[in-house]
Amino acid sequence: EDQVTQSPEALRLQEGESSSLNCSYTVSGLRGLFWYRQDPGKGPEFLFTLYSAGEEKEKERLKATLTKKESFLHITAPKPEDSATYLCAVHPNSGGSNYKLTFGKGTLLTVNP
Amino acid sequence: DTAVSQTPKYLVTQMGNDKSIKCEQNLGHDTMYWYKQDSKKFLKIMFSYNNKELIINETVPNRFSPKSPDKAHLNLHINSLELGDSAVYFCASSNELWGIRYEQYFGPGTRLTVT
Repeated sequence: EDQVTQSPEALRLQEGESSSLNCSYTVSGLRGLFWYRQDPGKGPEFLFTLYSAGEEKEKERLKATLTKKESFLHITAPKPEDSATYLCAVHPNSGGSNYKLTFGKGTLLTVNP
Repeated sequence: DTAVSQTPKYLVTQMGNDKSIKCEQNLGHDTMYWYKQDSKKFLKIMFSYNNKELIINETVPNRFSPKSPDKAHLNLHINSLELGDSAVYFCASSNELWGIRYEQYFGPGTRLTVT
């Protein structure tokens, strides 16, 4: 069964203190890995898609990387407005689950000023 | 210019009632989804429709029935509501090109509270 594990569950940073969030996955073939940001009371907001090991994508202070077993979301010099829950999801490359994303439980990031 | 919209945003009802949640997307996507996010914030797929055809039907009680009148709309009807149905329900949509299913875009959610 496809599994996605995110760590840590919660992370507190000071403004400007860089860190990384981890997403480990077990799937029978990976069609894509997605990162989302979710603010309280809102729907997940798409950030990145990664398709193959070695791929990297950047957006402002965020950089996502992918290996064959895990993905990292690096946050450089975070600001308080980066505070949110970050969700990782995998799109397996296997017959019956072609259309299904499996989400991790998320990492709650709090950036203090 | 809302991409994926849901109504209502909040729904408070009593056990045993029947209720519906509506979803509309104006992105021109061919696939729509319903997700349930429980109190622990875990997001889990319930249903998916591709071009009005049901393609994902997870282990969900028969009391939940999705309906897709056209590609841009996906509604969720819930019969005989139970306390355990209390959660936030998200609608999402995505597109597919050459066998690659692209990122899903989510609506703002409907917070259902069953008393």
